[in-house]
Amino acid sequence: GAVVSQHPSRVICKSGTSVKIECRSLDFQATTMFWYRQFPKKSLMLMATSNEGSKATYEQGVEKDKFLINHASLTLSTLTVTSAHPEDSSFYICSAREIKGTNYGYTFGSGTRLTVV
Amino acid sequence: KQEVTQIPAALSVPEGENLVLNCSFTDSAIYNLQWFRQDPGKGLTSLLLIQSSQREQTSGRLNASLDKSSGRSTLYIAASQPGDSATYLCASPSNTGKLIFGQGTTLQVKP
Repeated sequence: GAVVSQHPSRVICKSGTSVKIECRSLDFQATTMFWYRQFPKKSLMLMATSNEGSKATYEQGVEKDKFLINHASLTLSTLTVTSAHPEDSSFYICSAREIKGTNYGYTFGSGTRLTVV
Repeated sequence: KQEVTQIPAALSVPEGENLVLNCSFTDSAIYNLQWFRQDPGKGLTSLLLIQSSQREQTSGRLNASLDKSSGRSTLYIAASQPGDSATYLCASPSNTGKLIFGQGTTLQVKP
């Protein structure tokens, strides 16, 4: 089945630094990927939709200059948390949409636990 | 606008019991419906994907049904095991491709 690889699984960084999270579709091409944020015991919150070769579409309230998204190829999207602060500490999950003919489904990465100290 | 709801929020059952998780949606013009499992601190694992033209999908001890007319989907788990303990989420894509999630049902299977 479709596999999405997300790295790193855990990262600790100092306040003010930037962190890059990678999301790769391993066995299919994904023109569209999605980035989510999840708080403890809460549901996933969509941050942005990443489109290959074009700018990402951000959800309302998400700072595009803080959460930089790049989708330079059909198998890779990256999320960079710039000038990280402790309140950015969270669980980030990516998802890719696999299209098969007229059908499609979503595959998720294993998530990245970001801790900003 | 599609809305997805899951009831109950939490469920605890003894090992070996068959159980049903419920998912309801407001827009019957559904494209597909997907069931996921999330273990604590992990990403989502896709369990079953039901296309709009299908009525059910099966994988091992899992069976998911889709009834568009009533706006419902169910996930049936047979002979539950402690390893089935997790949060189960149903989701359906909006017309823009964004996944609309239910709130999830946290299942605990007691040995």
